[in-house]
Amino acid sequence: GQQLNQSPQSMFIQEGEDVSMNCTSSSIFNTWLWYKQDPGEGPVLLIALYKAGELTSNGRLTAQFGITRKDSFLNISASIPSDVGIYFCAGQPQGGSEKLVFGKGTKLTVNP
Amino acid sequence: NAGVTQTPKFQVLKTGQSMTLQCAQDMNHNSMYWYRQDPGMGLRLIYYSASEGTTDKGEVPNGYNVSRLNKREFSLRLESAAPSQTSVYFCASSPWRGDGYTFGSGTRLTVV
Repeated sequence: GQQLNQSPQSMFIQEGEDVSMNCTSSSIFNTWLWYKQDPGEGPVLLIALYKAGELTSNGRLTAQFGITRKDSFLNISASIPSDVGIYFCAGQPQGGSEKLVFGKGTKLTVNP
Repeated sequence: NAGVTQTPKFQVLKTGQSMTLQCAQDMNHNSMYWYRQDPGMGLRLIYYSASEGTTDKGEVPNGYNVSRLNKREFSLRLESAAPSQTSVYFCASSPWRGDGYTFGSGTRLTVV
């Protein structure tokens, strides 16, 4: 089945630094989504991407749908302590499955 | 507030006991999902329901059963709990296949 390789697995950064994480697959995806999970909570949708090459921002977050449709990245600029959490990528594989495929997550720690 | 509501939030079971995790959404979504989250494993799909009246197995269905009671409610049942089922369980819903999921806040289950 389709798999998403998300990297890095974890990141330890200083407040104010920029962060970049990505997801790749050997399969083509029709949709890419990025979620954030705060400690003790469920994942919350941050950004949804529906078109190859699409670049979308949500405040300090920017995500792109790769042109090959096999990858996506998420950037966080000027990190702050509340950015701490686990970030998941997810995608809808080509072929019309109703189920999203999730990456294993990137755990972000921000040191004040 | 609109969204996905899961009950209970915490539960401790003895090995062999049974229980049902409840999930309800008030967004008129067609599709609903049950995931489990374990450290380092990301989100793994247990069962899903693409629409009212249908259910299908996901990646890790063994030891679980589900019921799509109506469009709003999707329950997960553990017939004979095992320590390997200690996990955090998330319910999610989506309006149509491939769209972003809305997650509940989770049920933290410990089987001793």
